[in-house]
Amino acid sequence: DTAVSQTPKYLVTQMGNDKSIKCEQNLGHDTMYWYKQDSKKFLKIMFSYNNKELIINETVPNRFSPKSPDKAHLNLHINSLELGDSAVYFCASSQGRAGGPNEQFFGPGTRLTVL
Amino acid sequence: GENVEQHPSTLSVQEGDSAVIKCTYSDSASNYFPWYKQELGKGPQLIIDIRSNVGEKKDQRIAVTLNKTAKHFSLHITETQPEDSAVYFCAASKGNMLTFGGGTRLMVKP
Repeated sequence: DTAVSQTPKYLVTQMGNDKSIKCEQNLGHDTMYWYKQDSKKFLKIMFSYNNKELIINETVPNRFSPKSPDKAHLNLHINSLELGDSAVYFCASSQGRAGGPNEQFFGPGTRLTVL
Repeated sequence: GENVEQHPSTLSVQEGDSAVIKCTYSDSASNYFPWYKQELGKGPQLIIDIRSNVGEKKDQRIAVTLNKTAKHFSLHITETQPEDSAVYFCAASKGNMLTFGGGTRLMVKP
């Protein structure tokens, strides 16, 4: 059974379009994340949600809007897509831990190509 | 904010040799240091992690060492196998925010 799943796996679209990527985790975790991996493989956090509340927002353009309908889902909506948005987007989840951070489980990624 | 540097960016070893990847971090408050392996077309997968109250941790052929004073930590893979070929990322964290290093592409030649 897939722990963290994302759809779609590939997304090709034109500049200026609006698109969404969906993420679901069946691990019962309370925290979910979106990461962006650029063409040089650099991984950078974009957002983090804990129990449906935004807790991290790392200087991401407001064209990116995460939405968490419940703690098992964290979707990413992107408005007015730009060429520079082309990347692989990873969803991840983790369980809160009293002693500090815990392992983050990553989804398989969504490769977004903006033409 | 936290800054994590990772070296080398590429590493080629012969099967059976050892591989060492090193990372440094800037924020002395970071207390969790995971290592992830990313295979082609897949998401990163945790292979080992270490917390700031421990200096070394080992799991079969993989070991990680942490020097809090110098703010650096290293991944050691012994008896490398072709299936170890992948991109490896170190990361540092306090709270839930992981800051990743730039990655090391490890190639194990049979």
